[in-house]
Amino acid sequence: EAGVTQFPSHSVIEKGQTVTLRCDPISGHDNLYWYRRVMGKEIKFLLHFVKESKQDESGMPNNRFLAERTGGTYSTLKVQPAELEDSGVYFCASSQETGWKTQYFGPGTRLLVL
Amino acid sequence: DAKTTQPTSMDCAEGRAANLPCNHSTISGNEYVYWYRQIHSQGPQYIIHGLKNNETNEMASLIITEDRKSSTLILPHATLRDTAVYYCIVRVAYDKVIFGPGTSLSVIP
Repeated sequence: EAGVTQFPSHSVIEKGQTVTLRCDPISGHDNLYWYRRVMGKEIKFLLHFVKESKQDESGMPNNRFLAERTGGTYSTLKVQPAELEDSGVYFCASSQETGWKTQYFGPGTRLLVL
Repeated sequence: DAKTTQPTSMDCAEGRAANLPCNHSTISGNEYVYWYRQIHSQGPQYIIHGLKNNETNEMASLIITEDRKSSTLILPHATLRDTAVYYCIVRVAYDKVIFGPGTSLSVIP
């Protein structure tokens, strides 16, 4: 069974540009989560989808971040326009069912904003 | 909210058991304790979880004290590939994984 995959693995962009990160959850997992770790900080929750609906987006830092999950399969996280402080590692995770279930994480996308 | 405290770092000799402690003194009665680890440049990896009873799987054992205020993750025969940051997590919010700083485990040859 394939795990959670993320694309790209690395991205280097200039301040003000747009970047779109993609996450493909484990097949059959309705729950999809985005987390990120910025330099020197702990991994922080961003948001949670149940199928195509946003269940909780309380961790989204500001309106430059837009997450979508059309069709309830893969998800994208767009940063527009990117700022220097957005640099870090963005992780995606998925789990079965709703409620506290074991979350399986992808390898992350390393974003560097110059 | 239930929170956890862990030592910042630990060393363990290769082949020996690694015992990673975690305090969660404010844990609620129905909250599970989860352990994840993050190996450098990879995403966090689920290890094990438990509620009251001790648990064992192919990766590790989890010992939870009777009062549930602390737990210990045991890697029975640590290898170099077990070098990672280990996170002890107690569910503090619906569906969220709340990561602390974790314990950086170094397995030494």
